[in-house]
Amino acid sequence: GESVGLHLPTLSVQEGDNSIINCAYSNSASDYFIWYKQESGKGPQFIIDIRSNMDKRQGQRVTVLLNKTVKHLSLQIAATQPGDSAVYFCAEMFSGGYNKLIFGAGTRLAVHP
Amino acid sequence: EAEVAQSPRYKITEKSQAVAFWCDPISGHATLYWYRQILGQGPELLVQFQDESVVDDSQLPKDRFSAERLKGVDSTLKIQPAELGDSAMYLCASSPWSGGLTDTQYFGPGTRLTVL
Repeated sequence: GESVGLHLPTLSVQEGDNSIINCAYSNSASDYFIWYKQESGKGPQFIIDIRSNMDKRQGQRVTVLLNKTVKHLSLQIAATQPGDSAVYFCAEMFSGGYNKLIFGAGTRLAVHP
Repeated sequence: EAEVAQSPRYKITEKSQAVAFWCDPISGHATLYWYRQILGQGPELLVQFQDESVVDDSQLPKDRFSAERLKGVDSTLKIQPAELGDSAMYLCASSPWSGGLTDTQYFGPGTRLTVL
């Protein structure tokens, strides 16, 4: 069935380095993708999104890349800070019907000083 | 900044007891979602409301779970009876409904349920 998954369960980086979190999705019909950040004890927080008619979208210190050929999504965080430490989820949405969001399992980002 | 409110934040109960969670979405948001998140996993949709109507409850264990949004604003999720496997974080989210693809879902802080 359709699923959204992540390559790495844990990513450790040094403060100031760039981070790349990867995600694979299985449904080629998915047309909207979102990255969420979840800190311990809190609900997921929207970071950035991208539609399937785009390859790249930039935000403040974050960039999402979408490769539809290999069904791959990545989140790049520039100059990673301790406050970026959290679990990051990618999610895909099916636009047919009522925009059902399917989450992956998450990647934990640990930023070391 | 408007937020999704949930209560209680934490709930400990014994198996076979009934529990209820409350959610107040962002004002004006027509769509409300209940998710269950098991530790270490991504949230899984339990039920989705459009105003007061259920539009997707395919993943809701209907023998023990129920959800309502009577006036199309706040919502209650109930579990009766609770089982050990129900221990999880229960998240509520809301989004405006403009019929568009990119109606962002905003999440509340969640209710952490522990069933003993």
